[in-house]
Amino acid sequence: NAGVTQTPKFQVLKTGQSMTLQCAQDMNHEYMSWYRQDPGMGLRLIHYSVGAGITDQGEVPNGYNVSRSTTEDFPLRLLSAAPSQTSVYFCASSASQGEETQYFGPGTRLLVL
Amino acid sequence: AQKVTQAQTEISVVEKEDVTLDCVYETRDTTYYLFWYKQPPSGELVFLIRRNSFDEQNEISGRYSWNFQKSTSSFNFTITASQVVDSAVYFCALQSYTGNQFYFGTGTSLTVIP
Repeated sequence: NAGVTQTPKFQVLKTGQSMTLQCAQDMNHEYMSWYRQDPGMGLRLIHYSVGAGITDQGEVPNGYNVSRSTTEDFPLRLLSAAPSQTSVYFCASSASQGEETQYFGPGTRLLVL
Repeated sequence: AQKVTQAQTEISVVEKEDVTLDCVYETRDTTYYLFWYKQPPSGELVFLIRRNSFDEQNEISGRYSWNFQKSTSSFNFTITASQVVDSAVYFCALQSYTGNQFYFGTGTSLTVIP
């Protein structure tokens, strides 16, 4: 049981490049989320999914796309990276009921030049 | 609106001192959940505790204790006899029962000086 895994751990992009941050969980959790963490701002929700085929926007969705074709995977796509997207990105998952604890992946540190 | 406030940005204590991290929340929901997470220098987020809005009993786990008071909308976290390994950023979070969005505070950075 690996929990929540994220790849890559670190990435450098040039402005305008695209990339996908991968997130996978092996706990059969229905809910998955993406957060970004910036200094002094805590964690802010980007997008979330309540199950395969269902996604919704969080607090800061602009510049990011997501899809959820399987229960296990929830990739985050940056179509045209900007320096403002330099951040640490965390993926999280939790079981189907709202009272369950959310478990976080190890994070991806992204630098956009 | 859902909001979590951690007014203490940084705290430094000497080892073996007790320290309390404050968390104040805002919500219109009657059922909700409160969490504390620890983020050590290595960067991962470690779950510490979950408390639902109907359970106001204080909880103690080793050197950690939590004081939940609905009357003041607070969920404070106390570390007794702090250790250097407690140095980390601590986040308080709120989750509505009807949704799955978590709302995080901005975190409190705790440094325990040997």
